[in-house]
Amino acid sequence: SQKIEQNSEALNIQEGKTATLTCNYTNYSPAYLQWYRQDPGRGPVFLLLIRENEKEKRKERLKVTFDTTLKQSLFHITASQPADSATYLCALDVKFYFGSGTKLNVKP
Amino acid sequence: DVKVTQSSRYLVKRTGEKVFLECVQDMDHENMFWYRQDPGLGLRLIYFSYDVKMKEKGDIPEGYSVSREKKERFSLILESASTNQTSMYLCASRQGNNQPQHFGDGTRLSIL
Repeated sequence: SQKIEQNSEALNIQEGKTATLTCNYTNYSPAYLQWYRQDPGRGPVFLLLIRENEKEKRKERLKVTFDTTLKQSLFHITASQPADSATYLCALDVKFYFGSGTKLNVKP
Repeated sequence: DVKVTQSSRYLVKRTGEKVFLECVQDMDHENMFWYRQDPGLGLRLIYFSYDVKMKEKGDIPEGYSVSREKKERFSLILESASTNQTSMYLCASRQGNNQPQHFGDGTRLSIL
């Protein structure tokens, strides 16, 4: 059964817009959730960690929300740039489960 | 910055061979991990190690073993390589619970 779901379709947006990526999970109640960025041919790079008692976390142009009732995390990139184009993975602390990632394409 | 180094970026082996993938981290991290990444399946945990000489099975340990004789080094062993083990293998380390994982750049392994 799928434990973490991320939209497998690529997200295409225009430069300057806000990108929103979704991570849904089932069957678990994680204490925290993480987001990573992965570029082609490279390993994932950690971006943000949000704990179950935090509704929102920000870092520069990045914002993550965590709704434990909906079992969902949203990842936002504001004022997106072509350099933000990559695959973004979410990960639970439970058994080190990772989603399969959503590819973001930011067009100039 | 933490550096996780995997010994090979690309590797081609034959069915039935014993294959060793090596991973070294330079930040004295307690925990180390081996994943494989396949299209549409995401990262799947093969094995992890909380400390030297300690190991725990992940979701897909069948056909693999690991060795952690020194804190900085975590080796993944394919006992008898099979074509379904063709994949991207990623090693990671972290300091402890609630800490982010730091990944190497992966080894793309092809079993012919």
